[in-house]
Amino acid sequence: KQEVTQIPAALSVPEGENLVLNCSFTDSAIYNLQWFRQDPGKGLTSLLLIQSSQREQTSGRLNASLDKSSGRSTLYIAASQPGDSATYLCAVRDDKIIFGKGTRLHILP
Amino acid sequence: DTGVSQDPRHKITKRGQNVTFRCDPISEHNRLYWYRQTLGQGPEFLTYFQNEAQLEKSRLLSDRFSAERPKGSFSTLEIQRTEQGDSAMYLCASSTLDRGDNEKLFFGSGTQLSVL
Repeated sequence: KQEVTQIPAALSVPEGENLVLNCSFTDSAIYNLQWFRQDPGKGLTSLLLIQSSQREQTSGRLNASLDKSSGRSTLYIAASQPGDSATYLCAVRDDKIIFGKGTRLHILP
Repeated sequence: DTGVSQDPRHKITKRGQNVTFRCDPISEHNRLYWYRQTLGQGPEFLTYFQNEAQLEKSRLLSDRFSAERPKGSFSTLEIQRTEQGDSAMYLCASSTLDRGDNEKLFFGSGTQLSVL
């Protein structure tokens, strides 16, 4: 049974710092991994999707990496801004799509 | 806008009542997912459809929950005899598979259920 873990559960950093969020999964036989952002009381917004054959994907200040063999992905956020404050979730797809519990990120002005 | 739509946005009901939620996926998407999310937790898988076929249903779902997707378009999620523990955000997402068998989910805004 696939399990997805995100560490840390919560993170506070000063504005301008670079940061890394972690996601690990137990079964490496995945098709793809997707990172999402969720603002309080809202739905999920897709940030990046990494195919199983890819090592990383970039979008603006965001870079996501995937090491399928070790069951790990990271989301790197460069030059953090207060508007980046949200919960970040990763989801892996094997026969269905399973989510981690998320990392609550707070960027301090 | 052709994104995923969910209705209603909020639902308040009394314990024991039945509720039904609707999800309209992105029109060309053949897969539709239902998730439940409580405060501080990630979305919990409930069920998903490919076209009109319900391919999997979580063992966490009791018999009080049922989902349908007639004609492979919109979907409904019904909860019978609601309990306070059913209070949560119910999220719908749709997707389709690309040539590489990759699947990107697009979510609606969710339906927030409060059972009094």
